[in-house]
Amino acid sequence: DTAVSQTPKYLVTQMGNDKSIKCEQNLGHDTMYWYKQDSKKFLKIMFSYNNKELIINETVPNRFSPKSPDKAHLNLHINSLELGDSAVYFCASSTRTGTDGYTFGSGTRLTVV
Amino acid sequence: AQTVTQSQPEMSVQEAETVTLSCTYDTSENNYYLFWYKQPPSRQMILVIRQEAYKQQNATENRFSVNFQKAAKSFSLKISDSQLGDTAMYFCAFLRSSGTYKYIFGTGTRLKVLA
Repeated sequence: DTAVSQTPKYLVTQMGNDKSIKCEQNLGHDTMYWYKQDSKKFLKIMFSYNNKELIINETVPNRFSPKSPDKAHLNLHINSLELGDSAVYFCASSTRTGTDGYTFGSGTRLTVV
Repeated sequence: AQTVTQSQPEMSVQEAETVTLSCTYDTSENNYYLFWYKQPPSRQMILVIRQEAYKQQNATENRFSVNFQKAAKSFSLKISDSQLGDTAMYFCAFLRSSGTYKYIFGTGTRLKVLA
């Protein structure tokens, strides 16, 4: 029944590893997002896809690569993980413009050791 | 560029009392949307309330209401009859209504409701 589901909820990994986070929404939304929440709780957009097309690509290291196989799925792959990548990553979805508000997933807490 | 400021990093309120969280923003846009999101300890981000800038009437959702002052660029959230379950981080967010649609979030206010 979960509207926006992310997996895994927790991810602990060593520096230098490659990892992926998956996101799926069953709301019929056209737009999906990845946000990063740092240790001070600050939320910053990373990427946005509208109907599988990348429309927002903020200043993010190119070790981060989003992939949207269809409009219901948006995955985030991270190469060569660094200590500074430790954060909570949120997936969200919305109508095309987001003016009705976002629906967020429950977040993935990534810890790089 | 738009900015969103929440000047109260932490607040506390007694159960059943009323509390107001402040948010100010800066924009040259005339049409936009404002939101309050709640993030309880469970980490889930939950939409609390939404305001369209072209509507004069302040939005209300049960115990939550806003005081939207467009000229002052102020968007405060009032929580009435505070409950223990209202304990959470509260984020104010701005969304322009044209161009690239992305939220600009404030830095959050941590609210603790005391029994």
